Amino acid sequence: AQRVTQPEKLLSVFKGAPVELKCNYSYSGSPELFWYVQYSRQRLQLLLRHISRESIKGFTADLNKGETSFHLKKPFAQEEDSAMYYCALIGSGNTGKLIFGQGTTLQVKP
Amino acid sequence: GAVVSQHPSWVICKSGTSVKIECRSLDFQATTMFWYRQFPKQSLMLMATSNEGSKATYEQGVEKDKFLINHASLTLSTLTVTSAHPEDSSFYICSAGLAGRKGETQYFGPGTRLLVL
Repeated sequence: AQRVTQPEKLLSVFKGAPVELKCNYSYSGSPELFWYVQYSRQRLQLLLRHISRESIKGFTADLNKGETSFHLKKPFAQEEDSAMYYCALIGSGNTGKLIFGQGTTLQVKP
Repeated sequence: GAVVSQHPSWVICKSGTSVKIECRSLDFQATTMFWYRQFPKQSLMLMATSNEGSKATYEQGVEKDKFLINHASLTLSTLTVTSAHPEDSSFYICSAGLAGRKGETQYFGPGTRLLVL
């Protein structure tokens, strides 16, 4: 079965502290993984995708196939990073369906 | 950038009435649109995949006669909640993918909040 698991509902850190939002997946095949972010009162938007290997707003995520993980990291959290973060997987069958994790609320305190 | 709009942004209706929600890709063509439902403080649950000119594909457990989806053009998909009941109250979100490009970014609409009294 295809599944995305984000074990933490809430992650609270102080400004300047490192952040790691965990994401594990279950998928038989070569996955396409994404991180989406939803700021307060805004629509869901793409943060980054693993095939791009890019860093957006200081965030990076590395796909670890051995551990089936795609954790999101940032070395120094900023208050404006406070948001809901969703890890997602593109399903099989060329349908383009996104399978979302449960989401993690990141709270960055001053 | 690619923009997806939804209309209305919120709607309140009486139990038993039908509600139509529109999803439009404003500056690109979307072969595929997706409809999600989100309960408070929960993740997005995919309801159906909508392909232009063909019948929608519904996820398991989603009643297709209850949630009618029409994708009449490459820029418009509609979701009609028929005979709405209070348990249908939720946040409905659509997304659109760029035509012909598997795995490409999906662009999300702002969502429609439905409250059924």
